[in-house]
Amino acid sequence: AQSVSQHNHHVILSEAASLELGCNYSYGGTVNLFWYVQYPGQHLQLLLKYFSGDPLVKGIKGFEAEFIKSKFSFNLRKPSVQWSDTAEYFCAVNAPGSARQLTFGSGTQLTVLP
Amino acid sequence: NAGVTQTPKFRVLKTGQSMTLLCAQDMNHEYMYWYRQDPGMGLRLIHYSVGEGTTAKGEVPDGYNVSRLKKQNFLLGLESAAPSQTSVYFCASSYGSGGNQPQHFGDGTRLSIL
Repeated sequence: AQSVSQHNHHVILSEAASLELGCNYSYGGTVNLFWYVQYPGQHLQLLLKYFSGDPLVKGIKGFEAEFIKSKFSFNLRKPSVQWSDTAEYFCAVNAPGSARQLTFGSGTQLTVLP
Repeated sequence: NAGVTQTPKFRVLKTGQSMTLLCAQDMNHEYMYWYRQDPGMGLRLIHYSVGEGTTAKGEVPDGYNVSRLKKQNFLLGLESAAPSQTSVYFCASSYGSGGNQPQHFGDGTRLSIL
């Protein structure tokens, strides 16, 4: 079975600081990787996804993530965060052919101070 | 576009009561999912469906039943509610074929069991 680890449970940054949120997964085969964001009181929205090809993936709102296969990692980055980035961020994986079932990490709460 | 619609948005039940949560999607998606979200645990898959008339168990199916009588609807039932089922429930849907596609989420149902 696949699992996802997000080691940072709560990150607090000041505006304009750089962000990197860690995500590691355990699965021996090919995976599809996702980052979702949940703003306060809202549903999950897709930030970015990786299926194949260039391991550096760019998403919405200036976010990007890098897939490093040898490290089983898919870390999320943003060069300069804004107050509006305050939200909870979830890393998720699924294996092709698994009925698209997503396995989520426990989430990282990001608080950006103005 | 409505996307994924969940009803109700909030509900309070007493232990032992039953209820049904409704999920409707208007994107003609084949796959539909029910998750529960609990603090510090991310989202966990309860049940899912890969098409009309089919359902399957996810990671935490006990105490829940589901039905997919129509392609656009996916119902989650609690036969005898327990306090441990207090949670936020999210429905999601995705395409079933034609390449890898992300899941689209509803706004959630906040359920409290007293």
